[in-house]
Amino acid sequence: QVHLVQSGAEVKQPGASVQVSCQTSGFTFTSYHFHWVRQAPGERFEWMGRINPNTGDTNYAQKFQDRVNMTRDKSMKTAFMELSRLTSDDAAVYYCARGRVSMDVWGQGTPVSVSS
Amino acid sequence: DIQMTQSPSSLSASVRDRVIITCRASQGIRDDLAWYQQKPGKAPKRLIYDASSLQSGVPSRFSGSGSGTEFTLTISSLEPEDFATYYCLQHNTYPWTFGQGTRVDIK
Repeated sequence: QVHLVQSGAEVKQPGASVQVSCQTSGFTFTSYHFHWVRQAPGERFEWMGRINPNTGDTNYAQKFQDRVNMTRDKSMKTAFMELSRLTSDDAAVYYCARGRVSMDVWGQGTPVSVSS
Repeated sequence: DIQMTQSPSSLSASVRDRVIITCRASQGIRDDLAWYQQKPGKAPKRLIYDASSLQSGVPSRFSGSGSGTEFTLTISSLEPEDFATYYCLQHNTYPWTFGQGTRVDIK
């Protein structure tokens, strides 16, 4: 069974950073890219970027280029996404998703709230 | 960025109705398009990939078509479990972009 299990909900203050993890099982971790997507209330999905877990290579959406960092730990079969300098506009549910072509399996989502 | 425009934004339909959702890309994306279904509080589920290929385990009442800039998702006979929101995704060019969604609810 393919599983992507994300870390739990986060509450952060403006200006802080948040890290979300995505622990995988049931498939070869290095055979798929991992994408990060977010969905703010009432908004469409927003693709943030992706990481190749084999090489560590990343592609980020320009909007997040200067404050997102995607990493992975091959031994833990886990992908990570860190977003810094949070504002209220970053309040959303963050998803990791596996993909070679598009995204076939998604994590359960991690709600992130930003409030002082 | 490639803009994805879905229509309609919402629709009301009855069980056994045929439903067609359209997605238009602002530039050609070949067949690099997927369709997803999302239910409240849940992660999206992929229904269609490569514009017309049915995801394993997805009922055959779902089908996709199109290439270039115009795509459709068709539900041939709506079932009660199909009431949900549907999204298209283009994965031709970074940044990947989504349609705004089509909410299908019960008439």
